[in-house]
This record gives sequence, C-alpha cells and structure tokens, in this order.
Amino acid sequence: EAQVTQNPRYLITVTGKKLTVTCSQNMNHEYMSWYRQDPGLGLRQIYYSMNVEVTDKGDVPEGYKVSRKEKRNFPLILESPSPNQTSLYFCASSYQRGRGVTEAFFGQGTRLTVV
Amino acid sequence: DAKTTQPTSMDCAEGRAANLPCNHSTISGNEYVYWYRQIHSQGPQYIIHGLKNNETNEMASLIITEDRKSSTLILPHATLRDTAVYYCIVREAGSSNTGKLIFGQGTTLQVKP
Repeated sequence: EAQVTQNPRYLITVTGKKLTVTCSQNMNHEYMSWYRQDPGLGLRQIYYSMNVEVTDKGDVPEGYKVSRKEKRNFPLILESPSPNQTSLYFCASSYQRGRGVTEAFFGQGTRLTVV
Repeated sequence: DAKTTQPTSMDCAEGRAANLPCNHSTISGNEYVYWYRQIHSQGPQYIIHGLKNNETNEMASLIITEDRKSSTLILPHATLRDTAVYYCIVREAGSSNTGKLIFGQGTTLQVKP
C-alpha cells in the first residue's frame, strides 16, 4: 500500500531536549515536505526536498533541520525544542503526474507538545 | 500562486449532493485548481484537480467556470465520513517547489444524518 509513515504519532517533550520525527515513503517520490498546522494559521511549509541531498527552507524553517540521505526518508530534527513548536506536524511526498500536475500524499501527523 | 476564497462552513444532508464553491478570480492561465480534504486532524488527502475542463473521478466532480474564476467541488452522495475540511488550492503547473501547497482556511463540511 502506498503510504507516508511518520513516527511518533504523539510526543510530549521538554524544552531543549533534541528530538527527531521520522518520515518514510514507499512510493519512490522525489519530492518531500514538512508542514506544521496551528489553529488559525493553517498548514505552513517548514522545509522541502526535491531529491536526495537537496533540501531548502519553506515558509517557517526557524528552529528546524532536515536531512535527505536516502530517497525514502526525510526526518525533521528539532535541536532545541521550544514551546512555540508545539504543533501538529505533517510529512508529505509528492510526484508530478504529467503536464506539471502535482499530487501530494500526507502522513498521519505527529502531535508534538513541548513543555 | 493565486489566492482562493471559500465559505467557512457548510452543512449537507446525508445522501444528498454536497456542492462546495471556491472563488479564484486572480487565477492565471497555467494554474491548476486542486482540492484536498482533511478529516479530523488526519493528513490532507488529494481529491481532484482540473485546469479548465470539468473533471470527475471516483471521489468527486470538479466544475470550473468558463472564465476559470471559480469552481465547485461536488460530492454526489455525501456520507457521514465526508465530514471534513475541504481545501481549494490554486497552483502553477511545474512550480519549482513541487511539494508546496498553500492551504487557506478551507470549508468545514458537516454531513448530517
């Protein structure tokens, strides 16, 4: 089954304790992204990757890092989490269907609370 | 990418057609209209897309006006499981940041028994 898998689904952590949210896709997609979703602000892109070893900042990259060492994996790293990073996080992978049309597949989300 | 305007919320009776409007009056010629939905904090799910012709798939139909300034997503026989937030997104074909989707506030569709 085609899917994007995030782990963990829920996480409560303390300020300053480094954490990694993993994301893996089994569709051989080149493009992967991370979003965060906050009430009243909608979904906003954090980082994206257009291929292995190619990553770039999205709209809200501060406080986050990513890496893309393999095509299937795109982990999100919070080196020193702060309470304002409490949010619902989604990983997505995308492909071009043809004629420039893109379809995105999203993971089930990771609800992170930083206390 | 062009901005979209959607009603904040809508109700629909179970079994009836749900018609969700979207206004994208500033859309340009090479921008597609996409619809995604998000069921109760799950990851958004792709529904359908179109450029200028009406489109239909197993989930829904998309009607785009001739001037392309608005569109309507139609769920022909809404069920309780269609209760979700529906996002209309306009996006340029082949954008360099292929993964990026700009989500607005969407329309919360409540399907009622």
